[in-house]
Amino acid sequence: AQSVTQLDSQVPVFEEAPVELRCNYSSSVSVYLFWYVQYPNQGLQLLLKYLSGSTLVKGINGFEAEFNKSQTSFHLRKPSVHISDTAEYFCAVDTGGFKTIFGAGTRLFVKA
Amino acid sequence: ETGVTQSPTHLIKTRGQQVTLRCSSQSGHNTVSWYQQALGQGPQFIFQYYREEENGRGNFPPRFSGLQFPNYSSELNVNALELDDSALYLCASSAGLAGEFTDTQYFGPGTRLTVL
Repeated sequence: AQSVTQLDSQVPVFEEAPVELRCNYSSSVSVYLFWYVQYPNQGLQLLLKYLSGSTLVKGINGFEAEFNKSQTSFHLRKPSVHISDTAEYFCAVDTGGFKTIFGAGTRLFVKA
Repeated sequence: ETGVTQSPTHLIKTRGQQVTLRCSSQSGHNTVSWYQQALGQGPQFIFQYYREEENGRGNFPPRFSGLQFPNYSSELNVNALELDDSALYLCASSAGLAGEFTDTQYFGPGTRLTVL
């Protein structure tokens, strides 16, 4: 079975500062990895995904993530955050077919 | 190209009642997955439909059931509602063959169900 652990439930950060949201996963088989963002009262929007190939994945809104197989991690980073990045971020894994396993989420709060 | 839509937006039911939630997939998508997102938690996979057939199920009891129609719209039905069923219910549609990542999974805005 697969599982996802998001190591921080909340991350407060000042505007224009860098941020890293941490994600570790557990799986006995190869997985595909995703980060989604959820704004208040909205559904999920895909930020980026790792399927294969380069371990550094670039997504929308200036976010990127690095897949580290040995550490079973897929941390999300942004070099400079904006107020508008305040949202809930979910790391997710899938072994194929969109039956996705999500982490509990990390609330990013960007302060002015 | 229209996105994934869900109806209703909000719904209030009482314990023991039955509810039907609806999802209209993005044009051309033949796979729909349903998720339950309890307050403060990540979404939990309920089940998936591919070309009108159930194609996988998460750890949810049989009182959670679904349908997918020929136009690939979908319903989630929950019988004998319990207080713990209160959650945001999300559907997500995708194209391509089940088991292959030929596309991205697109989520609808969700239906907020409150069970009193």
